[in-house]
Parts: sequence; structure tokens; C-alpha cells
Amino acid sequence: DIQMTQSPSSLSASVGDRVTITCQASQDIDNYLSWYQQKPGKAPKLLIYDASNLEKGVPSRFSGSGSGTDFSFTISSLQPEDIATYYCQQYDNLPTFGPGTKVEIK
Amino acid sequence: EVQLVESGGGLVQPGRSLRLSCAASGFTFDDYAMHWVRQAPGKGLEWVSHITWNGGSTGYVASVKGRFTISRDNAKNSLYLQMNSLRPEDTALYYCVKGGQQLAPFDYWGQGTQVTVSS
Repeated sequence: DIQMTQSPSSLSASVGDRVTITCQASQDIDNYLSWYQQKPGKAPKLLIYDASNLEKGVPSRFSGSGSGTDFSFTISSLQPEDIATYYCQQYDNLPTFGPGTKVEIK
Repeated sequence: EVQLVESGGGLVQPGRSLRLSCAASGFTFDDYAMHWVRQAPGKGLEWVSHITWNGGSTGYVASVKGRFTISRDNAKNSLYLQMNSLRPEDTALYYCVKGGQQLAPFDYWGQGTQVTVSS
């Protein structure tokens, strides 16, 4: 199975800050990586697919990059409504998720 | 509008069985793979199982292999998860998720159905 790691596990930042989360796969997954946002009590929402493609309707302050084993996810200017847990997921093989990064406002 | 509505969750004793259902609408159901993903209380997401568009291929996470069976009825636009020999560690919110036609992300999620395994 492909293992996914994420860092940090949590972060606290101010409104307007640039926030970056990294995700690493245990083997090469090409660009078969997505990012999800989950707010408390809600189902996850797809933000980024194929490592860097923005899902329709998702604000452009969200972006993703990387390929192979190393990936990153960035919020260019953190907004109060971005408070959530973010998960990376690989779908190169049987899908697996990273452990999540909880984003809070400082 | 894509809708995925899960049902069938509940409180069940260890060792017993439960069958989850997911009613899909708003897209051509038999064009897409489907998945079950679960989330234990306060924990992260765990992919559980998938089934291809025609049911010809399925996959499971190691911890449920041999106990859970995924199936679909394309005539009824429905997805199922038969869960046998349930364990306390299967306690979670179970999401029905739409996949893609090949390797694809999970673009639509239901709201989940809660499964609690406890004596």
C-alpha cells in the first residue's frame, strides 16, 4: 500500500497569511494526488486534483504543486472561512489519504 | 445536481452484520466507479472499498477484506456495503463517494451514515 504523510499536523496563522502544507507519498504516484477540505460536521470537499488542477468553483487562492513523491498545497491569503482540516489523497493505486492538517486562525 | 444519500447505519453488537445503501442521482451512475470512505470519531479519512462501473472489479482496505462486500445495482442507481463480523474499530461515519472513469479523485461525497459497533 502507498503511505501518505503530511506536515504539519496543525498550524495557526493570521488572516491574510500564506499557508503551505506538504504531502509525501511512499512511492512515485506521478501526479495522481488530490487535496480535500473538511469543515467540522461536513463531508470533505475536493479542492485540487491531479496535483495542481483547481476544481471548478474553488477560489483561486488555493493551489497545489508537485509530482512523483513530493507535493505541496498553498492558501495564498488565509481567510476565516478556510478554517478546516486538509487532507491529501493519492489515487495512483488503491486510494489512501494523508493524516490531515488542521488549520486554525491565530 | 449530484446527490448521494446514504442509509442503513445504526448501533450494532460486535460480530453482527449491517448493510449500508447509497442512492445516487444527478449523474449517469453506471459510467463511474464508486467508493466507500469512513471516518472514525475525531480521526482522519480512511478509504474502505471501491467498485468499478460494472461491478467487474472491487477493492478493499486490508482491515475489512473478507468481512465487507461492496456491490451496486445500476438499474436502481444504488451502491451497497455489506458489513459482516463487525468490530468496535469499524465504528465510523461511512461516506458514499463518486469516483471517476479511470484513476480519478473523489468529486462528490454524501453526508454519511453513522455505524456504531458496541455491546
